[in-house]
This record gives sequence, C-alpha cells and structure tokens, in this order.
Amino acid sequence: RKEVEQDPGPFNVPEGATVAFNCTYSNSASQSFFWYRQDCRKEPKLLMSVYSSGNEDGRFTAQLNRASQYISLLIRDSKLSDSATYLCAVPALKAAGNKLTFGGGTRVLVKP
Amino acid sequence: DADVTQTPRNRITKTGKRIMLECSQTKGHDRMYWYRQDPGLGLQLIYYSFDVKDINKGEISDGYSVSRQAQAKFSLSLESAIPNQTALYFCATSDTSGSTDTQYFGPGTRLTVL
Repeated sequence: RKEVEQDPGPFNVPEGATVAFNCTYSNSASQSFFWYRQDCRKEPKLLMSVYSSGNEDGRFTAQLNRASQYISLLIRDSKLSDSATYLCAVPALKAAGNKLTFGGGTRVLVKP
Repeated sequence: DADVTQTPRNRITKTGKRIMLECSQTKGHDRMYWYRQDPGLGLQLIYYSFDVKDINKGEISDGYSVSRQAQAKFSLSLESAIPNQTALYFCATSDTSGSTDTQYFGPGTRLTVL
C-alpha cells in the first residue's frame, strides 16, 4: 500500500455544487495532515492544515478519520477558481523532522 | 518579492550535460528540500537538508547531488543529465521553530533533457 493515496479524478463539478474527496494514509502515528492546492504548472500552496479531527476555512472543510486512516476535503459552493489539483501530504513513515509524503493529487474541474 | 526563488525557471539541455538548479529563500527557515514532479504524479523527494551541515537522501537521489552553500541557498545538480530526468523541480523550505510541518514551495524549474 502506498503511504499516501488519492483518487486522481478528475472530479467534474457544476459551479455552486459541493464536492468531496479523500486521501488515505499508511502512517497510523501521523499527527498532522496537509492539503495543498496546485494550479497547472505552478507550485503547491498550502490550503489547510489538520491537527485534530478537522479544520474549516470558509468554503473548505477538512475532516480526519483516524480509525479508517483517511482525511477528506470538502468544497462547498464551488467556484470556477477552485479548479485545481489538490495534494494531500502526511509525515513520512520513516520521518525525522519535517519530511512529508505527498499523494498524487486529485484534480477538480468546476464548470459553469 | 517571493520568499522562495528558483533559477532558472525553464531549461532545455542535452543528454550528458551537467545542470545546476538553484534555490534561495528569505524566510529564514533552516530546512530545505528538493522535489521532482512528473505529469500526473505527486511530489517525489530527492534530497533534503535540515541545516548547512546536514544533507540527506530522499526517495530518488540517484543521479542527483546537492549543495547547501548557506542557510538560504540549496542547489541541485544533475551531473550527467538523462531524458528521464525531464520533470518539474520544486524547492521547498520549512521551519523548526513552530509545531507545524508546513512546507513552502518555490515556483519550480521546468527541465527538459533531450
């Protein structure tokens, strides 16, 4: 099993709709989780950090399910500008310090 | 000005050439990382450095070397470039002072090896 797995998508979402997707991880000892947003050919930018059961920032909600070892990202009232690839990152299994393992990303396309 | 900068932003080279990619940061972070990203794939860690005297191999270090010239500078070298090293390369930094593992990325270098 890969350390971090994501459904590559694309998730085609009508503008204004809600979309949610998951990221599964192997390291049961992980205490922190991250969602990054990456636009085409640009650098990943931190969208949200998750340290407990979840986090919410405006239209974006991240939820952690430790029992099943996944985190989800939910986007409400989708905007055209939400179209991007969303990368999940989790501390690496053999980590010392701040090493992260990234998933392959989930592509989201919001359409009018 | 950007906190993490990379040069060059784009580079086309030929097989066998030596290439150096440079990364500089003004964030004052002690930890720096080099990743490569292939189309449709996630980020793969090449090398990382926790301070000037600490260099560590990542998942895919073969064919690459690095130099941490100063806290603010971390360069990646391809001693003899090959076509399968064609990828998007990102530098990132993180800070040990806080409780977060957040990494901040540079704008990337698009490298094509012919």
